Amino acid sequence: NAGVTQTPKFQVLKTGQSMTLQCAQDMNHNSMYWYRQDPGMGLRLIYYSASEGTTDKGEVPNGYNVSRLNKREFSLRLESAAPSQTSVYFCASKGQGRYGSYGYTFGSGTRLTVV
Amino acid sequence: RKEVEQDPGPFNVPEGATVAFNCTYSNSASQSFFWYRQDCRKEPKLLMSVYSSGNEDGRFTAQLNRASQYISLLIRDSKLSDSATYLCVVTALFSGGYNKLIFGAGTRLAVHP
Repeated sequence: NAGVTQTPKFQVLKTGQSMTLQCAQDMNHNSMYWYRQDPGMGLRLIYYSASEGTTDKGEVPNGYNVSRLNKREFSLRLESAAPSQTSVYFCASKGQGRYGSYGYTFGSGTRLTVV
Repeated sequence: RKEVEQDPGPFNVPEGATVAFNCTYSNSASQSFFWYRQDCRKEPKLLMSVYSSGNEDGRFTAQLNRASQYISLLIRDSKLSDSATYLCVVTALFSGGYNKLIFGAGTRLAVHP
């Protein structure tokens, strides 16, 4: 099925470990995004990529790095995980939604726990 | 103050009820408005866009009041399957000129038999 694929779905890290969250979309979208979602808060933008080869910081970029490897793939890296990074992470890409408006398609999420 | 504010709920309603959710946003420059639905432990999915003239999709009606910076979602004849969290979403501009989505924390709806 077409859409946004994220891996892994679950991960437990120890403080200080590193890891990369992978995201790929097959809808030929230019824009891709990484969000985190914490209880009682809306999704917050970590980084985004408006097109292949470009990346920019969102609202909460500290502690993260990203790579837009090609048009399909946008990865998020935690170099030294901290307990404050325990969250649910969503990758999204932007295309043409219903009503002629742009709509974001989200991946199924990665539940990350840092202990 | 949060950029997008919603009543967290939960709203507990019986099947067949009509329920309304409200949302306020702080950025008067916001151009586009949406309602997303998020099921428990799942990703958000676009429910509908919201237009100034109001728009309807089956049992769902969305309204926008730009002057009051207020958005609403009305669900008629609630179904068990409507149980979810409803996210109010507005757009804002990055410094680079690109749009970004600003999410409310969501309103939880529980429809019971």
